[in-house]
Amino acid sequence: GENVEQHPSTLSVQEGDSAVIKCTYSDSASNYFPWYKQELGKGPQLIIDIRSNVGEKKDQRIAVTLNKTAKHFSLHITETQPEDSAVYFCAASFRNTGKLIFGQGTTLQVKP
Amino acid sequence: DAGVIQSPRHEVTEMGQEVTLRCKPISGHDYLFWYRQTMMRGLELLIYFNNNVPIDDSGMPEDRFSAKMPNASFSTLKIQPSEPRDSAVYFCASATTFYNEQFFGPGTRLTVL
Repeated sequence: GENVEQHPSTLSVQEGDSAVIKCTYSDSASNYFPWYKQELGKGPQLIIDIRSNVGEKKDQRIAVTLNKTAKHFSLHITETQPEDSAVYFCAASFRNTGKLIFGQGTTLQVKP
Repeated sequence: DAGVIQSPRHEVTEMGQEVTLRCKPISGHDYLFWYRQTMMRGLELLIYFNNNVPIDDSGMPEDRFSAKMPNASFSTLKIQPSEPRDSAVYFCASATTFYNEQFFGPGTRLTVL
């Protein structure tokens, strides 16, 4: 069945350091890979996404890389700030549907 | 636009009672999704609609759960009868098309005693 595994489950970094979160997916037909950030008491919010025809995408301090052969993708946050502290979810589309399969989430703590 | 609106924000009920959660998607969005979030199972898709029609309800846990979308601006998720294991945060999200950003509402925190 469809599955997205996300690691690590928790990540603590010092302000200014980089943070990397990795996900693997099982469905070779997946072609859309968004990343969501969820702050306490709020719904998830999209921060960046990538489609299967692209290997890397950047938006200021955030970048995502995709390796379709290995079926894994990663989120990179550089120059982390305390306001980056949140839970981050990766997701992968399921076949040719509007369905997203989410990873279990990574709690990122950025220490000032 | 006010974003996706969900009500109530918090619901506490007793086992066996009927619970109705409500969602107003962003105007112009053709897709509406209902998710459930728990510590154990993470964020799970329960059902989604396209143009008010249910497309995939394979995530609905059992017959006690039902969802409707009578028009483009309103959807409900009903649990009858509710059980303690239904306690979770329920999110509604909407999107314009496939593979575009899903905008999540603030969620409804449901506690079933």
